Amino acid sequence: AQTVTQSQPEMSVQEAETVTLSCTYDTSENNYYLFWYKQPPSRQMILVIRQEAYKQQNATENRFSVNFQKAAKSFSLKISDSQLGDTAMYFCAFMTNTGNQFYFGTGTSLTVIP
Amino acid sequence: DVKVTQSSRYLVKRTGEKVFLECVQDMDHENMFWYRQDPGLGLRLIYFSYDVKMKEKGDIPEGYSVSREKKERFSLILESASTNQTSMYLCASTQPRTEANQPQHFGDGTRLSIL
Repeated sequence: AQTVTQSQPEMSVQEAETVTLSCTYDTSENNYYLFWYKQPPSRQMILVIRQEAYKQQNATENRFSVNFQKAAKSFSLKISDSQLGDTAMYFCAFMTNTGNQFYFGTGTSLTVIP
Repeated sequence: DVKVTQSSRYLVKRTGEKVFLECVQDMDHENMFWYRQDPGLGLRLIYFSYDVKMKEKGDIPEGYSVSREKKERFSLILESASTNQTSMYLCASTQPRTEANQPQHFGDGTRLSIL
């Protein structure tokens, strides 16, 4: 079975600074997909960024980027120029190659301080 | 944009009641999922369905059942609600992997309290 571990339950960052959220996972599969989701307080869970395991290049979406280390099974999220609207719970997720199974970490609560 | 709609944002029920949580998606997705979200535990999969009338148990199916009579609708049923089922329930949908790296799309969640 796959597992996803987020070892930082809570983090904070000063506005405009950079923060990195960590995620590790365990799998025996070679092809899979990884995601970071954001859940603002009392709001819907939305996708932040995705990464295909067979792609070596790290995904980037504006201020959000990942550091994907396949051998180490590590998938960290870097948020640059943090904004108040980035305050949310962030979940790392693993999807099997079939697309039928998703596994989520326990989440990291990020607070951006003005 | 994909729209996943959960019938209730907040729900309060009593112990022993039969509770229905409804979820509808408008993108003809084949896969639908029910999770419960608890602090410190993240999202835990209750059931998922990959086709009409098909269902698979997730990690914590005990005390729950599901129904998928139509492709767009996936219902979660608490047969006899108990206080330990007080939680946030999230519905999600996605296409299978053949549609490339499709993420899950989530509803707004239903915060269920069992008294």
